Amino acid sequence: DIQMTQSPSSLSASVGDRVTITCRASQRLASYLNWYHQKPGRAPKLLIYAASNLQSGVPSRFSGSESGTDFTLTISSLQPEDYGTYYCQQTYGPPLTFGGGTRVEIK
Amino acid sequence: ELQLVESGGGLAQPGGSLRLSCASSGFTFSSYWMHWVRQVPGKGLVWVARINSDGSSITYADSVKGRFTISRDNAKNTLYLQMNSLRAEDTAIYYCVREDSKHAFPFDDWGQGTQVTVSS
Repeated sequence: DIQMTQSPSSLSASVGDRVTITCRASQRLASYLNWYHQKPGRAPKLLIYAASNLQSGVPSRFSGSESGTDFTLTISSLQPEDYGTYYCQQTYGPPLTFGGGTRVEIK
Repeated sequence: ELQLVESGGGLAQPGGSLRLSCASSGFTFSSYWMHWVRQVPGKGLVWVARINSDGSSITYADSVKGRFTISRDNAKNTLYLQMNSLRAEDTAIYYCVREDSKHAFPFDDWGQGTQVTVSS
């Protein structure tokens, strides 16, 4: 199975800060990596697909990148509504595994 | 408007069964692969099973293989998850999820989830 190691597990940042979340895969994924955002009590929402493509309707402050087996989600300027948990997901092959999540708190 | 609405969750005894349903609307259900994903409240997301658009290809997570059955009725625009031999560790919120066909096959729409609790 492909393991997805996400870091940090939590962070606290201020509005306007640049935030970076990393996901490391146990093997190369050929860009089969997606990012989701989940607010408490809600279903997850797709942010980025194929490592670096912004899902329709998602603000441009979100971006994704890939370097080998490392994937990065960046929020260029954190907004109050960005609180919650962020998950990476590999869809290279079953089982389709998620990272452990990064909980983002707004200071 | 695209909608995925799960139902069928509830309380079941260990060793018991439940059948989840996911009614879809607002898109051509028969054209999409569909998945079930579960989440223990406060914990991470875990993929459970997937089914292709016509039901001819199915894959399960090892943790549910042999106990759960995913199926679909394209005439009724509905996805199902038959859950047998339930265990306490199956307790979770179960989400019905649509897979988009674009690169990396992202999960682009999720239902609101239905709670399954396995307890005596």
